[in-house]
Amino acid sequence: AQSVTQLGSHVSVSEGALVLLRCNYSSSVPPYLFWYVQYPNQGLQLLLKYTTGATLVKGINGFEAEFKKSETSFHLTKPSAHMSDAAEYFCAVSETDSWGKLQFGAGTQVVVTP
Amino acid sequence: NAGVMQNPRHLVRRRGQEARLRCSPMKGHSHVYWYRQLPEEGLKFMVYLQKENIIDESGMPKERFSAEFPKEGPSILRIQQVVRGDSAAYFCASSPPRALGYTFGSGTRLTVV
Repeated sequence: AQSVTQLGSHVSVSEGALVLLRCNYSSSVPPYLFWYVQYPNQGLQLLLKYTTGATLVKGINGFEAEFKKSETSFHLTKPSAHMSDAAEYFCAVSETDSWGKLQFGAGTQVVVTP
Repeated sequence: NAGVMQNPRHLVRRRGQEARLRCSPMKGHSHVYWYRQLPEEGLKFMVYLQKENIIDESGMPKERFSAEFPKEGPSILRIQQVVRGDSAAYFCASSPPRALGYTFGSGTRLTVV
């Protein structure tokens, strides 16, 4: 069985400051890991994903995430927040033997202040 | 290249009525997934379909809910005899076979009154 925990349902950051969104997972097999972003009244957009290989993954809009197997974590970061980063962010996991089915975290709402 | 198209965007139904949600996948995508998002919650997997075939329906409620993806036309998520608890945003996603990461549609927001 797999599960995803996102620490902090709401995060407030100042424009220009570091964005750090935490995601921990549990999985019985090597996982595939994803971060999605959702803007108000829209669908989810894939930011980045980890499958195999390099554990530091770079995505769109300046975001990156690092897969740490020993910590079962996949935290999302961006060095400098922009006002347009205000959105809800979801971490998701897919087990390698369960194609198609994603388990999502509850989401983290990011507010960016001037 | 149009994205994943869902319609309607908003749907209001009275308790006991039927709701039919439609999803047209991206061109070239043969796999469709349905998720439900309840207020203040993440997305919950419902069903995974290929053309004319249900691959995984482990997230579908046992009663009143059904899904299909016919050879021709969009995928349909059907909810019979809707109840207030069915009010949610329903998202469809599509992908090519065995792809990692989908493309989501903008969702259908169902309100049961």
